Amino acid sequence: GQQLNQSPQSMFIQEGEDVSMNCTSSSIFNTWLWYKQDPGEGPVLLIALYKAGELTSNGRLTAQFGITRKDSFLNISASIPSDVGIYFCAGQNTDKLIFGTGTRLQVFP
Amino acid sequence: DAEITQSPRHKITETGRQVTLACHQTWNHNNMFWYRQDLGHGLRLIHYSYGVQDTNKGEVSDGYSVSRSNTEDLPLTLESAASSQTSVYFCASSIGPSNEQFFGPGTRLTVL
Repeated sequence: GQQLNQSPQSMFIQEGEDVSMNCTSSSIFNTWLWYKQDPGEGPVLLIALYKAGELTSNGRLTAQFGITRKDSFLNISASIPSDVGIYFCAGQNTDKLIFGTGTRLQVFP
Repeated sequence: DAEITQSPRHKITETGRQVTLACHQTWNHNNMFWYRQDLGHGLRLIHYSYGVQDTNKGEVSDGYSVSRSNTEDLPLTLESAASSQTSVYFCASSIGPSNEQFFGPGTRLTVL
């Protein structure tokens, strides 16, 4: 089945650093979503993007919908320990989500 | 507060047994989805429903079935559990086809 290419697969950073991750696809999407998953929990929606070129922020998180509609980026500024988890991108056309393979983020104090 | 719940949270069963995982949402969402999550594969869609009496196959539907008799519930049944179905299962719902999906806490299923 189709999957999105998400990179990097994992990141180990120090508290206070900024983080960037991205997602690319061979297909175009009408919506891009970013989720975070904590251990033992379900994914939680962080940001939703609906228009090519759109830049949206949610606190320290900023995400962009790529102009080509085939990619999206998520940035986390001034990371804190509770940012630890797995971040998933998802592309959506009509009803179904296609998920990326995830970026595992570790934050060290 | 409206929410989406799954039960059980953990389940161990034997090969060949029938297993049903429950999903219940109180948002009155029309759309409900079942995914499985495995290392190296991310989240893959098993079945989904757009409303009562509607069910559709997803990417990895073999060995699974769902039924939608009311808006709130979409139980997932494994007719004859196989070891390859050991996974973490997530239910999700959305208000409409193009709207964001909200996920339940997951069920960890082990088939011995």
